[in-house]
Amino acid sequence: NAGVTQTPKFRILKIGQSMTLQCTQDMNHNYMYWYRQDPGMGLKLIYYSVGAGITDKGEVPNGYNVSRSTTEDFPLRLELAAPSQTSVYFCASTQLIFQETQYFGPGTRLLVL
Amino acid sequence: ELKVEQNPLFLSMQEGKNYTIYCNYSTTSDRLYWYRQDPGKSLESLFVLLSNGAVKQEGRLMASLDTKARLSTLHITAAVHDLSATYFCAVKGDGTASKLTFGTGTRLQVTL
Repeated sequence: NAGVTQTPKFRILKIGQSMTLQCTQDMNHNYMYWYRQDPGMGLKLIYYSVGAGITDKGEVPNGYNVSRSTTEDFPLRLELAAPSQTSVYFCASTQLIFQETQYFGPGTRLLVL
Repeated sequence: ELKVEQNPLFLSMQEGKNYTIYCNYSTTSDRLYWYRQDPGKSLESLFVLLSNGAVKQEGRLMASLDTKARLSTLHITAAVHDLSATYFCAVKGDGTASKLTFGTGTRLQVTL
C-alpha cells in the first residue's frame, strides 16, 4: 500500500493564480482531511470529508474549495492564490475503527509570490 | 472551542538526560494523539491514548493521559540524538468526524 500520496511536492504560484493539490489514499478510508502548516506552527484543519460526496469546512476554509467524488481522492482547490496561502499542505485519512489514527501524506510545499 | 497548548515550545537537552513535554487541552475528549515530525517531513503517529490513566511506551518515549486534568505528557528517558524532531499532540474534538486540533508543537534538539 502506498498509503496517502500527494502531488505536487512543491509549487510556486503567482498571486491570483489557481491550482489544485491532489491527494489520494489506497486504504479505503472514508474520512479525509486537509491541513495547512505554517512555519513553526501546528496544523490547522482546512476542510474534511466523511465520505464520497460529503465535505465540510474546518477551522480555516477561506480561499479554498474541495470535492470528493470517489473514496480515494480528495483534491484541494486554491482559486485566487494570495501570499497568506504560502504554507505546507498535508492531506490525511482515517477509518472510524478503534484508534481512528490519522495517516498523513508527505505534504505539498506552496509558495505564493 | 477546543484549544490545545504544548510546552515548552523548544527544548534543547543533552544526550542521556530525561525530560517531559506537556500538552493541555480545554474541553473533554476521548482521544489524544502524539505525532513526530522530522524537518521537512510528514507526521508520523507515535501514540494514541484512549482513556484516563492510559500509558503507552515505545523505546525511550512514554506518553500518559489524565483526562480529569485534561493533560497529557510525553516523557523522554535518556535522550539520544535520533529523538531530535518536533513533537505534536493532537486532541480529537466532539462530533463524529474525528477532527483533530493540534498543539503548536515542541521542537526537541538533543545535543551530544
